[in-house]
Amino acid sequence: RKEVEQDPGPFNVPEGATVAFNCTYSNSASQSFFWYRQDCRKEPKLLMSVYSSGNEDGRFTAQLNRASQYISLLIRDSKLSDSATYLCVVGGKLIFGQGTELSVKP
Amino acid sequence: GAVVSQHPSRVICKSGTSVKIECRSLDFQATTMFWYRQFPKQSLMLMATSNEGSKATYEQGVEKDKFLINHASLTLSTLTVTSAHPEDSSFYICSAQGVNEKLFFGSGTQLSVL
Repeated sequence: RKEVEQDPGPFNVPEGATVAFNCTYSNSASQSFFWYRQDCRKEPKLLMSVYSSGNEDGRFTAQLNRASQYISLLIRDSKLSDSATYLCVVGGKLIFGQGTELSVKP
Repeated sequence: GAVVSQHPSRVICKSGTSVKIECRSLDFQATTMFWYRQFPKQSLMLMATSNEGSKATYEQGVEKDKFLINHASLTLSTLTVTSAHPEDSSFYICSAQGVNEKLFFGSGTQLSVL
């Protein structure tokens, strides 16, 4: 089993749709979790940290389920500009998932 | 926010030459920096962890003599690809670890070995 595994993509959704990504991790001792966004041939940028209680930032909601060892990212009211690859990252060695590609169409 | 500068952004070189990539944290001190490689349509693969003042820790399968890492100061880490070959062509990205384990990335270096 991979240390960090994400939903296979790509996700093709219309503007305004709600889309959710999941990411499972194998190390139950992991303490820190992040979602990053990467545009084509660019560096990843931190989207949000994932806290135990769940957290929301505008249209983005991140949740952690320790019992099932997964984190999720929910994007509401998708915009064209949300098209990117979303990477989940699990600490302490900060292992990256393989990324889920999102394409939002008009 | 924290800024990490990486250069060069693009390198084209002949097979057999060595290429040095620099990664600098501009407004914070980073005791730990990471080097990744990314092939097209694939995720970032951690190559090595660079710790200031000590030897880098390489991931399994990464040749330490091929990919030389130097982290001589709290703001600079370098990756040297020695005797580069076409199979080393890839996108190399560095990151520096800030507070709360957040990673701040350089803008990446696209290496093309002819």
